[in-house]
Amino acid sequence: SQELEQSPQSLIVQEGKNLTINCTSSKTLYGLYWYKQKYGEGLIFLMMLQKGGEEKSHEKITAKLDEKKQQSSLHITASQPSHAGIYLCGASTGTASKLTFGTGTRLQVTL
Amino acid sequence: NAGVTQTPKFRVLKTGQSMTLLCAQDMNHEYMYWYRQDPGMGLRLIHYSVGEGTTAKGEVPDGYNVSRLKKQNFLLGLESAAPSQTSVYFCASRRESFYNEQFFGPGTRLTVL
Repeated sequence: SQELEQSPQSLIVQEGKNLTINCTSSKTLYGLYWYKQKYGEGLIFLMMLQKGGEEKSHEKITAKLDEKKQQSSLHITASQPSHAGIYLCGASTGTASKLTFGTGTRLQVTL
Repeated sequence: NAGVTQTPKFRVLKTGQSMTLLCAQDMNHEYMYWYRQDPGMGLRLIHYSVGEGTTAKGEVPDGYNVSRLKKQNFLLGLESAAPSQTSVYFCASRRESFYNEQFFGPGTRLTVL
């Protein structure tokens, strides 16, 4: 079965700083999804990557899937308190498009 | 559109009691999923459905049953609750096309004493 490892597990950054979260898979990724979860709430979809080398951006968040399709990174530029939450990566496992999720990265942004 | 809604938001049960969690979506999605989220373990798939009248087991199905009698609803049942089922439960739905994202509900926080 596919396993996803996220690093770091938690992160505290000062407002305005950049940060990167990594998601490494034990198998080739055919669809990699990034979600954000605010504390005590549901998951909000951020973006999906499927091609090796693909990069997508939304506002100050950029996600990239490496050429070998076994690792993805999520980069936040000039972090803001609104970026705080738990970031989860999920990988498509094929049948019925089930997703396997990483354990998440908890981000705190201090003033 | 309300998206994906879950009922109830919170519930406390005693060991051995039963309950049903309701998930409803108004996006006409074919696929629906039930997950549980526990500290340090991420989201784990309990059961899923690829269409009305169909269900299948996920990663951690033991102790749970599901039904999808109507396309818009996906019910998760606990017949005899155990403390190990204390968790936050999330429902999700998606369109049938392969690379479409899953839309999540707000979650149900269940405590079993």
